Amino acid sequence: EVQELLESGGGLVQPGGSLRLSCAASGFTFSSYAMTWVRQAPGKGLEWVSSIDNSGGYRFFADPVKGRFAISRDNSQSILFLQMNSLRDEDTAVYYCAKIGIQNSNPDYWGQGTLVTVSS
Amino acid sequence: DIQMTQSPSTLSASVGDRVIITCRASQSIGSGLAWYQQKPGKAPKLLIYKASSLESGVPLRFSGSGSGTEFTLTISSLQPDDFATYYCQYYSIVSRTFGQGTKVEIK
Repeated sequence: EVQELLESGGGLVQPGGSLRLSCAASGFTFSSYAMTWVRQAPGKGLEWVSSIDNSGGYRFFADPVKGRFAISRDNSQSILFLQMNSLRDEDTAVYYCAKIGIQNSNPDYWGQGTLVTVSS
Repeated sequence: DIQMTQSPSTLSASVGDRVIITCRASQSIGSGLAWYQQKPGKAPKLLIYKASSLESGVPLRFSGSGSGTEFTLTISSLQPDDFATYYCQYYSIVSRTFGQGTKVEIK
């Protein structure tokens, strides 16, 4: 079965606002894999944002988003979430969700990304 | 925090060339390094993990080496499909850090 990750929830939001991203997974046993969010500002490089283990018990965040973003998952629905609060201009980016491989310990399957634009 | 520095930032090469990209970590990271390829408008693709292990399905012309603070990605014979941007990435259980990227352009 073909693996698929489909992000949604991106859009335009004012500074200080909130947005919730979703990533719907299919084609693999979602509850067996850690997941991660990686972002890419327009014309810039990749930046890791957050990761969560397969059960949701362990969550990790990059310093620039710590205290503002929350990661969670619903294994019954095979959905990953990223709750983004107190958004800043510098959070403007394409946000990718990715599955972390068990053998390779790295994001080995990625969604196509959803664009978040923070602007007044 | 661990910083990852790639060199060069841009590389001009021809089809058939041997290409080497270097990644340096600000402190020793053992073998916790991966390499990704990204094409414009597309998601990244995992090439190498654990510094030198080839991800399934990746062509054998790609190889990785190094440990500690110095790592390299080598493309033994550059193919037209290989013109892209390449990123190294440190990883641990709690954190990941990407290098700034190396764009491989057509000479």
